[in-house]
Amino acid sequence: KQEVTQIPAALSVPEGENLVLNCSFTDSAIYNLQWFRQDPGKGLTSLLLIQSSQREQTSGRLNASLDKSSGRSTLYIAASQPGDSATYLCAVSLNNNDMRFGAGTRLTVKP
Amino acid sequence: GAGVSQSPSNKVTEKGKDVELRCDPISGHTALYWYRQSLGQGLEFLIYFQGNSAPDKSGLPSDRFSAERTGGSVSTLTIQRTQQEDSAVYLCASSLASSGSLYEQYFGPGTRLTVT
Repeated sequence: KQEVTQIPAALSVPEGENLVLNCSFTDSAIYNLQWFRQDPGKGLTSLLLIQSSQREQTSGRLNASLDKSSGRSTLYIAASQPGDSATYLCAVSLNNNDMRFGAGTRLTVKP
Repeated sequence: GAGVSQSPSNKVTEKGKDVELRCDPISGHTALYWYRQSLGQGLEFLIYFQGNSAPDKSGLPSDRFSAERTGGSVSTLTIQRTQQEDSAVYLCASSLASSGSLYEQYFGPGTRLTVT
């Protein structure tokens, strides 16, 4: 059974710091991995999608890496801003219809 | 363009009543997914549609839950005889297709269901 774990559960950093969020999964047979952010009272916003054949994706200040063999992904946020405060979720696609989500990392960026 | 929309945004119902949740996917997206997020827990996959058909219903938690999609567009998730443990945020997502999982899922804002 695929299990997705995110560490840390919560993180608080001062504005301007670079930070890394971690995601691990137990079954390397995934189709893709997706990072989302969730703001209070709102739905999920897709940040980055990494296909199983890829090793990383970048969008602006965000960089996500994927190491399928070790079952790990990281989300790197450069020069963090207060607007980055949200819960960050990673999810793996096992096949073309089932996604398993981690519990999320709640990020607070202090001005 | 417009994103995924869901209605109602909030629903409070009495235990034992039936509720219907609606999802309007992004135009042209053939795949549609329902998830729920219970308080303090992660997201749980419920069901997915490819067009109007739902090949995988294994995620539905009980036979009180059903979903349909007509015309390859709008979907409704129905919960019959609601129980307090059904209280959660129900999220809908859509993607261009489901084949090969090449396509990102775009999520709606969710419906917060509270069963009293």
